[in-house]
Amino acid sequence: DTAVSQTPKYLVTQMGNDKSIKCEQNLGHDTMYWYKQDSKKFLKIMFSYNNKELIINETVPNRFSPKSPDKAHLNLHINSLELGDSAVYFCASSHPRLAGIGGELFFGEGSRLTVL
Amino acid sequence: KQEVTQIPAALSVPEGENLVLNCSFTDSAIYNLQWFRQDPGKGLTSLLLIQSSQREQTSGRLNASLDKSSGRSTLYIAASQPGDSATYLCAVINNDMRFGAGTRLTVKP
Repeated sequence: DTAVSQTPKYLVTQMGNDKSIKCEQNLGHDTMYWYKQDSKKFLKIMFSYNNKELIINETVPNRFSPKSPDKAHLNLHINSLELGDSAVYFCASSHPRLAGIGGELFFGEGSRLTVL
Repeated sequence: KQEVTQIPAALSVPEGENLVLNCSFTDSAIYNLQWFRQDPGKGLTSLLLIQSSQREQTSGRLNASLDKSSGRSTLYIAASQPGDSATYLCAVINNDMRFGAGTRLTVKP
């Protein structure tokens, strides 16, 4: 059983398109995250949701919109894709909130987005 | 704003050698520090989580230490094996989670 699963694993699309990446966790965690890993392999947090509530919203273009229909799902929708959006996007979850005391972060396998 | 630095950026060692990876952070007010391993094209696998009240954690051949006052953590790998080749990332958790850029480790047979 995959703890944190993302789909699709690979996504190739044209500039200007709108695309979504889905994430689901079956760990019963309250908090989920989206991270972006760029070509230099640096991981940067984008968003975090705790129990469907947005708690971290880093400085990312508003073309990126997270949606959490329930605490087990956190989807990432990207409008008007640009070349610079090409990266690997990782979903993660933790419990308790913000991987605090006793908590631990679990990552999905990543979704590699290529914008042409 | 928390900044996390990992040194060295890359490391190549012969099989069997003991090695140390370093992680430093600028804000010592952290909840936890977590070490991850990332294989090429894969996600991150959690190795060790050190809570702020702890000084070290051990799992098999891995030992991670934490010195909050000096803003440092080390990951010690004993008797390295080719299968240990991967990128090792440290992440520091206070109000969010900040990652270092990683150390790319190659263990040669």
